[in-house]
Amino acid sequence: DTGVSQDPRHKITKRGQNVTFRCDPISEHNRLYWYRQTLGQGPEFLTYFQNEAQLEKSRLLSDRFSAERPKGSFSTLEIQRTEQGDSAMYLCASSLVNPDTQYFGPGTRLTVL
Amino acid sequence: SQELEQSPQSLIVQEGKNLTINCTSSKTLYGLYWYKQKYGEGLIFLMMLQKGGEEKSHEKITAKLDEKKQQSSLHITASQPSHAGIYLCGADGQGAQKLVFGQGTRLTINP
Repeated sequence: DTGVSQDPRHKITKRGQNVTFRCDPISEHNRLYWYRQTLGQGPEFLTYFQNEAQLEKSRLLSDRFSAERPKGSFSTLEIQRTEQGDSAMYLCASSLVNPDTQYFGPGTRLTVL
Repeated sequence: SQELEQSPQSLIVQEGKNLTINCTSSKTLYGLYWYKQKYGEGLIFLMMLQKGGEEKSHEKITAKLDEKKQQSSLHITASQPSHAGIYLCGADGQGAQKLVFGQGTRLTINP
């Protein structure tokens, strides 16, 4: 039974560099979500896909952030020109349409130096 | 926009004691989710509540939804070290797929 997987688990980068994270959802799940979590806070919604269509984006998702789910399976989240404020845990979740309980991956911890 | 407030923010209890964590919403709750998170890891789904007055249990954890008060509570009976972690409540607004989360409650169990 494979759950949601994320790669890498940890990423350390220098300010100004680009980073890309990958998320593989539970195989039959057609919805995929990205959240960001900073220390001591709950996760904050970034964006979600139903199949390959990106249906909602948060105002938190600045133009430096882009997410894709090209074939409706795995998804990537890219951050361009990283800033220290981007340091956070990036969480991916997936769900069916009904029921829509979201199951989370282990997260990718990003540190921007 | 909907906001969730959890109380307490942190809790230290002796092993074997009971405890309760509360989650209060600024708007009507349509779906309320409880997750547990170990430090530095992802969220583990515990339970989902939808109907006013609904109560669900899993092992020694019971969650209730009081729709009138826009509040949910999570109760742990006879706490164990394995219950330690951060408990998060999340809610989805009517017609919305995204979850809004509370800030979390950090639970420590002392042996």
